[in-house]
Amino acid sequence: GNSVTQMEGPVTLSEEAFLTINCTYTATGYPSLFWYVQYPGEGLQLLLKATKADDKGSNKGFEATYRKETTSFHLEKGSVQVSDSAVYFCALSDRRGQNFVFGPGTRLSVLP
Amino acid sequence: DSGVTQTPKHLITATGQRVTLRCSPRSGDLSVYWYQQSLDQGLQFLIQYYNGEERAKGNILERFSAQQFPDLHSELNLSSLELGDSALYFCASSVDDYTGELFFGEGSRLTVL
Repeated sequence: GNSVTQMEGPVTLSEEAFLTINCTYTATGYPSLFWYVQYPGEGLQLLLKATKADDKGSNKGFEATYRKETTSFHLEKGSVQVSDSAVYFCALSDRRGQNFVFGPGTRLSVLP
Repeated sequence: DSGVTQTPKHLITATGQRVTLRCSPRSGDLSVYWYQQSLDQGLQFLIQYYNGEERAKGNILERFSAQQFPDLHSELNLSSLELGDSALYFCASSVDDYTGELFFGEGSRLTVL
């Protein structure tokens, strides 16, 4: 079945540091890929997405590129802020949307 | 605000009891998903409904059941509660069952004592 693997957290960075959170997936078809973010005390919200190979999703300074050859969708940001402290979930869905799978989440803490 | 409403936000109950969690999807969304989030197991998919019909089932216990009503709101029923059922329960909705973009509510935090 489909699955998503994320790097283990927690990740602690200083403000303005570069962020990478690794995500790899296993899927039988051509899934859509997503990054969701969960701020403290809130539900998950969509951060960015990519629906086909080589697509780059971007939002709020975050980027991720759909790499089919390495089955990866790594999240990056050039300069993190304290307000980026949250839990980040990588996810995939197949075309039918019936198999929406989330990774375990990576907790990011950004220190001033 | 995602447009997905969940009630109650917090619920404290005792083992062996039964509770019902309610979810109102975004206006126009036909699909509703339920997830359980606990500290040690991350986000676990429970069940999905599309336009009133069950579409997919995940790791949902037999003690749990759900339904989606004609007005598209959904309820998740948890019975014979155990301590291990304490978790955050999220509802999410999407416009259909294949675009893959989910909109999450703020969750219902269940504490079983």
